[in-house]
Amino acid sequence: AQSVSQHNHHVILSEAASLELGCNYSYGGTVNLFWYVQYPGQHLQLLLKYFSGDPLVKGIKGFEAEFIKSKFSFNLRKPSVQWSDTAEYFCAVKRNTDKLIFGTGTRLQVFP
Amino acid sequence: DTAVSQTPKYLVTQMGNDKSIKCEQNLGHDTMYWYKQDSKKFLKIMFSYNNKELIINETVPNRFSPKSPDKAHLNLHINSLELGDSAVYFCASSQDTLQVLAGVYNEQFFGPGTRLTVL
Repeated sequence: AQSVSQHNHHVILSEAASLELGCNYSYGGTVNLFWYVQYPGQHLQLLLKYFSGDPLVKGIKGFEAEFIKSKFSFNLRKPSVQWSDTAEYFCAVKRNTDKLIFGTGTRLQVFP
Repeated sequence: DTAVSQTPKYLVTQMGNDKSIKCEQNLGHDTMYWYKQDSKKFLKIMFSYNNKELIINETVPNRFSPKSPDKAHLNLHINSLELGDSAVYFCASSQDTLQVLAGVYNEQFFGPGTRLTVL
């Protein structure tokens, strides 16, 4: 079955620490890749997306992600997190006209 | 100028009741979705409509009936509510037609969510 895996379920960091959240998917072929963020009590917002071209994608708020096709991965990174980055992070994958499949989410807590 | 809006934001009701959640988008998108987010934050698609036509219908009890009166609206009606229906329901929209030609990346825009609590 098609799936999206986020292995880090809960990550706790101090401010200024570096962040990397893993995302792996099990589809073959061309995919569109997304990272969404859900701040406490809010709706999902798009952080960044990969459609084609440069596999290193820059998003909002200093986030970036790298698509590594050979590893079926799309890991999210940020060099220095802030307290305001505390949120739930969702990786999502879409293939052609298929539905968008979300990972199980990673809860990030950043302490000042 | 909210892009995707849902009403109500909170809904508390008794088991067995029938309720509706409304969704509207002003982005001119042609595809709309309903997602359910459970208590563990897991997001799962329920339905998808493209130009008022149902294109995705996941394994959802038939007590859930989506209705799309036009491209900008997708409402969710739930009959005979059960305790397990308690969740946050998110509406979303995207532009799926001619996406490549338009250079649109097919991202989905989400509404603020409706927290449904069934007592």
